[in-house]
Amino acid sequence: SAVISQKPSRDICQRGTSLTIQCQVDSQVTMMFWYRQQPGQSLTLIATANQGSEATYESGFVIDKFPISRPNLTFSTLTVSNMSPEDSSIYLCSVKDGGHEQYFGPGTRLTVT
Amino acid sequence: GENVEQHPSTLSVQEGDSAVIKCTYSDSASNYFPWYKQELGKRPQLIIDIRSNVGEKKDQRIAVTLNKTAKHFSLHITETQPEDSAVYFCLDSSGNTPLVFGKGTRLSVIA
Repeated sequence: SAVISQKPSRDICQRGTSLTIQCQVDSQVTMMFWYRQQPGQSLTLIATANQGSEATYESGFVIDKFPISRPNLTFSTLTVSNMSPEDSSIYLCSVKDGGHEQYFGPGTRLTVT
Repeated sequence: GENVEQHPSTLSVQEGDSAVIKCTYSDSASNYFPWYKQELGKRPQLIIDIRSNVGEKKDQRIAVTLNKTAKHFSLHITETQPEDSAVYFCLDSSGNTPLVFGKGTRLSVIA
């Protein structure tokens, strides 16, 4: 399975600021996704990061709030913009490569004060 | 992923007993069913999966069974241990779409 790393692992940010989370995979993968997991909740898909084109967002998530980049097949970033306390969550990068198996990064724990 | 109903939402068992989690799917064309385990503070981990061309798959103390006619599949954990305590998610996954998670089952193994 792919080895996925995320940076930062955690951060505490002030409201109104933005944070960019990086996801690095140790091999080229076809698909990359971003999820959010709010405290005590299940995982919610934010978007699919498309290499070389705009990300595909799920209902309730917009590019202005969560801009995503995917410059190549091993790297993606998610920015949480103009943060509010409601954005406090764990953000997880996930990959799928050809087969059905999907794997998750360790997550970034974000606290907005 | 497609909609999957999972039961129960919480499950408590005594250490050493068995635990069973059941899931029902709706799309008769579905052909891949993974199970993920998420321990507190950790990422979801794929623990076992089953494809539609088999009826049962085992890996040590865990097994998954699939009934295509009834469109349901189950996770069986035998000889449960405290480290089995986690949230378990059943999913219905197709090759080109991301997983869509339900609420899962919170399993507590009581020592």
